[in-house]
Parts: sequence; C-alpha cells; structure tokens
Amino acid sequence: DSGVTQTPKHLITATGQRVTLRCSPRSGDLSVYWYQQSLDQGLQFLIQYYNGEERAKGNILERFSAQQFPDLHSELNLSSLELGDSALYFCASSPTLAGANYEQYFGPGTRLTVT
Amino acid sequence: GENVEQHPSTLSVQEGDSAVIKCTYSDSASNYFPWYKQELGKGPQLIIDIRSNVGEKKDQRIAVTLNKTAKHFSLHITETQPEDSAVYFCAASLSGAGSYQLTFGKGTKLSVIP
Repeated sequence: DSGVTQTPKHLITATGQRVTLRCSPRSGDLSVYWYQQSLDQGLQFLIQYYNGEERAKGNILERFSAQQFPDLHSELNLSSLELGDSALYFCASSPTLAGANYEQYFGPGTRLTVT
Repeated sequence: GENVEQHPSTLSVQEGDSAVIKCTYSDSASNYFPWYKQELGKGPQLIIDIRSNVGEKKDQRIAVTLNKTAKHFSLHITETQPEDSAVYFCAASLSGAGSYQLTFGKGTKLSVIP
C-alpha cells in the first residue's frame, strides 16, 4: 500500500458527461501528479500540482482540468467525455519538488469507462 | 520532449533465472530513472531508482545500471520467482522548473515460469 488513495475505483458513464476523480496524497506529500494509462498510449503525464499551485502540464486535453485543495487532496475533472477517454487514471504523490526526496508513489487508480 | 524506448515488450524466464529489461532515453538532461512494477489491477509500484550521478544501484535481487553516455539504463532481476511476474515500466524524469514529471516506456510483461 503506497499510502495514496483514489476514489472511485471504477466509474462508468456516458459520452458527453462530466466526472470528477479524487486523490488523497500520502501524508505530508505536497506534490500531486496525474497520469493516464491506456492500451495504445501507455502511461502519460497529464498535470502536476504542488501545494495548491499548478506546476507542469503534459498531454492534458482542454476538456480536462484539475485542482489541489488546501488539505492537499486533488481532483481531476473530465468533461464532454468521449469513448477515447476510457482509461485508467492514476494519481501519484511526492514529498517535495527537488532535493533528495522526490520519488513518486502511485495510487491504485480509477478505471473510467465511457459508453 | 523526452522519449523512452523499452525492450523487450514481453519476457519469459524460468524460475531461478535472471531477467534483464533495457531502456533508452532521448534527452541528455534527464537525471532521474525509476523502475515500476505493476500487477494486474494495481497501480505502479516503485521498486528501484537511480540518479544520473550514480552508475549502478542494487537492492537485494534487483539492480539497475545507467550509462549516461549511451543514454541507456537497465533493470536486472536475479533468482526470479513467480511473484516477480508483472509488467515493468522504466521512466525518465526531465527535471526543470520544479517538475519531475515522468516519461514512461511502454512496459515489459515478465512471466516467470515455475
């Protein structure tokens, strides 16, 4: 158990809908990363937050957004869902930005199915 | 951006034999190289990592080597056991502006045959 929690575990929704995925980082970790895992694209970085501020963006669609709250949990919002958004979404947390301790620990993921 | 190639995509070994997975990266600025193990239905689990100022790191049956000149790093698992069966991912981190976003290889499915 990495200490990172994600809810829900599974989500089934229809095209055009909007969903919110939630992540709680390990205790004390300030940095949260979101990744998408699909069969064709593999594991891809979406976005990173550090202590409430957006730090980096990867291949994140404009229909997707995220935020990190004062209690450090993070939410990934996916809107106008398409069939191709079906994937596993992982959250990872890291203690700091730099220095000796920036390993990323992954949560169990949320499996999103868009029908 | 960074590109990570991983080989082989599948690997079958007999229990007790060694397994080697190789990765190459494109950006010479990358300085952090973790390896993750993913079991079915679970999230990736960090098993070992190496930084660019180190050439080799070992943790029990697992070792990682890094060749910065060739932009190549490898995972070595010795005395493989059935519980080592999983998908293994290498990754490279392009540090900059405080972000250590990971670029992953496509994964290697390792099967250890009892």
